[in-house]
Amino acid sequence: KNEVEQSPQNLTAQEGEFITINCSYSVGISALHWLQQHPGGGIVSLFMLSSGKKKHGRLIATINIQEKHSSLHITASHPRDSAVYICAVLRNTGNQFYFGTGTSLTVIP
Amino acid sequence: GAVVSQHPSWVICKSGTSVKIECRSLDFQATTMFWYRQFPKQSLMLMATSNEGSKATYEQGVEKDKFLINHASLTLSTLTVTSAHPEDSSFYICSALRAGNTGELFFGEGSRLTVL
Repeated sequence: KNEVEQSPQNLTAQEGEFITINCSYSVGISALHWLQQHPGGGIVSLFMLSSGKKKHGRLIATINIQEKHSSLHITASHPRDSAVYICAVLRNTGNQFYFGTGTSLTVIP
Repeated sequence: GAVVSQHPSWVICKSGTSVKIECRSLDFQATTMFWYRQFPKQSLMLMATSNEGSKATYEQGVEKDKFLINHASLTLSTLTVTSAHPEDSSFYICSALRAGNTGELFFGEGSRLTVL
């Protein structure tokens, strides 16, 4: 059983659509990261959450600690948002990270 | 902002040789660094967790004698692929956890290894 489950695995959207990617986890955590990986490999941490909600431009991330669930939303999606989005959680006992399998997003013009 | 430098970004080597990849945190201290392997169109596969000054913890199925990890300082970890074979060809990525229990995680740009 994976400690982090992410859905959907693949997502194709038309430019301008609102997009949601979900992440559920089964361990106690001290932080959750949403990561973005563009073709070519570089990975960036978009958000680090321990509670509540964060917003950065068109990106919004929320987390519900009680339900062990987080969502990443992209408003007014754009082709440049096309990337793989990965949910990663830092366990609250020891420096151990668990990763979701990633969501491959393609935004079509 | 915090930067993790990974070097080399790509390397080609002959089968049987060893290759060392460095991961440096440039403007922060990292008590813990992680090494991942990524196959085409797949997510990150955690290989090992290295804590400064102690032996790395390897994930199940990762050969510790094949993938030697050293974390000698708070800003440098190295991954050495020993006696590389073509099946070791892959994209290797490191990340560094900022010291101080902030939970902040920063990634290197990755190293693409091709073994001929």
